[in-house]
This record gives sequence, C-alpha cells and structure tokens, in this order.
Amino acid sequence: GENVEQHPSTLSVQEGDSAVIKCTYSDSASNYFPWYKQELGKGPQLIIDIRSNVGEKKDQRIAVTLNKTAKHFSLHITETQPEDSAVYFCAASRGNDYKLSFGAGTTVTVRA
Amino acid sequence: NAGVTQTPKFQVLKTGQSMTLQCAQDMNHEYMSWYRQDPGMGLRLIHYSVGAGITDQGEVPNGYNVSRSTTEDFPLRLLSAAPSQTSVYFCASSRWIQETQYFGPGTRLLVL
Repeated sequence: GENVEQHPSTLSVQEGDSAVIKCTYSDSASNYFPWYKQELGKGPQLIIDIRSNVGEKKDQRIAVTLNKTAKHFSLHITETQPEDSAVYFCAASRGNDYKLSFGAGTTVTVRA
Repeated sequence: NAGVTQTPKFQVLKTGQSMTLQCAQDMNHEYMSWYRQDPGMGLRLIHYSVGAGITDQGEVPNGYNVSRSTTEDFPLRLLSAAPSQTSVYFCASSRWIQETQYFGPGTRLLVL
C-alpha cells in the first residue's frame, strides 16, 4: 500500500515567518494530495489539496507544490499567525482503492 | 447541517468488554470511514464504506467490525476491547474518496 512520510514532526516559527512541511509518497499511481489541519481537541479539517495534473496551488497564505518525478509534495504557509498553530497532516490517494493514506503529522507552533 | 456527529465523546472500557462507537452524517455522503489516531502515527484507516451495504477493510481492521445499513450511519464495533485499542477514533464522510473528508469531533477511548 501507499506509504507517506512527513517531515519535520515539530516546527516552531516566529510570527510573520514562513513554515514549510514536506511529504514523500511511495505509490507512483497516487494522484490526489490533500492537507489537513487539526486544532486541539477537534477533528482534522481540509485546508488545501492538489491533484497530479498541476504542480502548484495557492489559497491566500497557503500554497502546495507537487513534484511527481521525485514523489514529494510540500505545504508552504507564509506570514504565519498565532492561529496557524496546529497539527498538519499530509495525505495521498490513488483513488481506485478508496483509501487515503496520512503522514504522521507536523506540530506547528507560531511564537508571538 | 450537523455535519458528522460521533458519540460518545469519551469512554472507558475494561479489557474484554464490547462497545459500539456511533457515527452519523447528514450530508448524504456515499463514502464514510473510520480512523484511529495515535501519537506519532498520524491517522490510520480502520474500515471504510463506499455506500449503504458495502464495507471494506482499511490498514488496521483487526478487532473492529463495521456495518452500513443506511447512508447516514456507520457504527464501529469493538467486540472484545484490548489495551492496544486505546486511541482517539475519528469518523469521516465525503462525496468520494478524492474529495473533502469531513471529520467528526472524535471519540477518546481508554481500555484498561
């Protein structure tokens, strides 16, 4: 099955700086890559996703890049704010096996 | 819309006891799934369903049963609880696997 590795496991940034989280996947057939944010005591919530037919997608301060050749994708958060402090999960899916495989998560702390 | 609801929020079981974790959604989603979340291991898929009457195993199905008699409900059964099943359990639903997964608030389970 699909194996998704996520780095780093923890990330501390100064407010206003950028944060980058990287994920690699093993199955070259994977074609859908979402990112979820989990706040303390809550369920994960989708923040952005990318499909294999594009290399980059942006939504305000959040962007995701995909390198299909190297089988890795990254989440970029610019101008970080205290409300960006949370656990972030990357995931990958090939679709036809009806499964979504998650990375282990990155705990992001934004220092004021 | 209530979205995805889960009950109970917290449960303590003794080894060998059985219980059912309830999950319901009111978005008419075909795809529903159960994940467990353990520290440092991300979200691991237990079972999933692509529609009423159709279920299949995920990454970590042992010790768990599911059924899907209606589109709205997807209960998870622990037949004989073990300490290794101590975890936080999340139910999710979506129109399809490669679309936004809507997660419930989670059930925290402690098996003594």
